[in-house]
Amino acid sequence: GAVVSQHPSRVICKSGTSVKIECRSLDFQATTMFWYRQFPKQSLMLMATSNEGSKATYEQGVEKDKFLINHASLTLSTLTVTSAHPEDSSFYICSARDGRSEAQYFGPGTRLLVL
Amino acid sequence: QKEVEQNSGPLSVPEGAIASLNCTYSDRGSQSFFWYRQYSGKSPELIMSIYSNGDKEDGRFTAQLNKASQYVSLLIRDSQPSDSATYLCAVNSNQFYFGTGTSLTVIP
Repeated sequence: GAVVSQHPSRVICKSGTSVKIECRSLDFQATTMFWYRQFPKQSLMLMATSNEGSKATYEQGVEKDKFLINHASLTLSTLTVTSAHPEDSSFYICSARDGRSEAQYFGPGTRLLVL
Repeated sequence: QKEVEQNSGPLSVPEGAIASLNCTYSDRGSQSFFWYRQYSGKSPELIMSIYSNGDKEDGRFTAQLNKASQYVSLLIRDSQPSDSATYLCAVNSNQFYFGTGTSLTVIP
């Protein structure tokens, strides 16, 4: 099956620092990748859609200057949380769309804690 | 109206019973449909995809699609405690839409 990796799995940082999260599709090429955030006991919230080689499309209410997304290749997308604050603490999950099946495959997620 | 609607539950079934999870969608032009399972604290995992009307079986899981009624369901036979999770319905039309999920608890 399609595998998506995400790194790091867990990060703790001080307020004001930037954190970079990588998402890789390991055995398929993903022209489209997605970034979600999920707070405890809440639904997935789509943050942005990332297409290879073009600017990401952000959902309403998501600050593009705070959550920088780069999709430089068909297998790699990165999310950088700039100047992180405690309210940014959450579970960040990426997914990649397999163009053959149209399914989204999720990475294992990154748990971010900002102190 | 939401694009994809699911009963949030919680749904409780005894071990060995059939769990039935339901989902409706609003875009009649939707072409592909998916069920994901999400354990607490983990990311969603794709368990079933279905593209045409009727039933699709994979082990203990059966997905059912009725495009005329805009309805997709997931049946879990011989439910096990390890099936306890939140089940997300997803529909691909022009965009990919997720339901809010149904929480399932299988009672030993």
